Amino acid sequence: AQSVSQHNHHVILSEAASLELGCNYSYGGTVNLFWYVQYPGQHLQLLLKYFSGDPLVKGIKGFEAEFIKSKFSFNLRKPSVQWSDTAEYFCAVNSGNAGNMLTFGGGTRLMVKP
Amino acid sequence: DTGVSQDPRHKITKRGQNVTFRCDPISEHNRLYWYRQTLGQGPEFLTYFQNEAQLEKSRLLSDRFSAERPKGSFSTLEIQRTEQGDSAMYLCASSRDTEAFFGQGTRLTVV
Repeated sequence: AQSVSQHNHHVILSEAASLELGCNYSYGGTVNLFWYVQYPGQHLQLLLKYFSGDPLVKGIKGFEAEFIKSKFSFNLRKPSVQWSDTAEYFCAVNSGNAGNMLTFGGGTRLMVKP
Repeated sequence: DTGVSQDPRHKITKRGQNVTFRCDPISEHNRLYWYRQTLGQGPEFLTYFQNEAQLEKSRLLSDRFSAERPKGSFSTLEIQRTEQGDSAMYLCASSRDTEAFFGQGTRLTVV
């Protein structure tokens, strides 16, 4: 069975600081990787996804993530955070199964101080 | 708003009662998913439909849970004889390919 670990449960940053959120997964086969964001009171929204090709993927709102196969990692980064990035961030994987069901990490709650 | 719609947004019920939630997916999406999210955790997969066929069920889905998607459009999730451990956010998602779009969820509180 696949699993996803997000090691940072809570992160507090000041505006303009750089962000890196860790995500590690356990699954030996081909995976599709995702980062979702949930702003306060809103639904989960897709930030970015990786299926194949360039391991550095760019998403919306200046976010990017790097897939490192040897480390089973898919860390999320942003060079300079804004107060509006305050949200909960979830890493998710699917194994390319027919149903594309997602396995999520436990989430990282980010607070950006103005 | 043409996103995934869930109803109700909040439900408080007494232990032992039955509850039913509804999900209306994005209209052209043939896949529909139910997930459950408890406090401090990420969403956990419950069940999946392709059109009207329920193709996958998690072991988290006990016999008290049943889901339907008649005619491959909206879906319902029913929980019978609710228990306090059923308190959670129930999320619905739909997709046409690999990207899943989520609704805002139904928050269930069992008292």
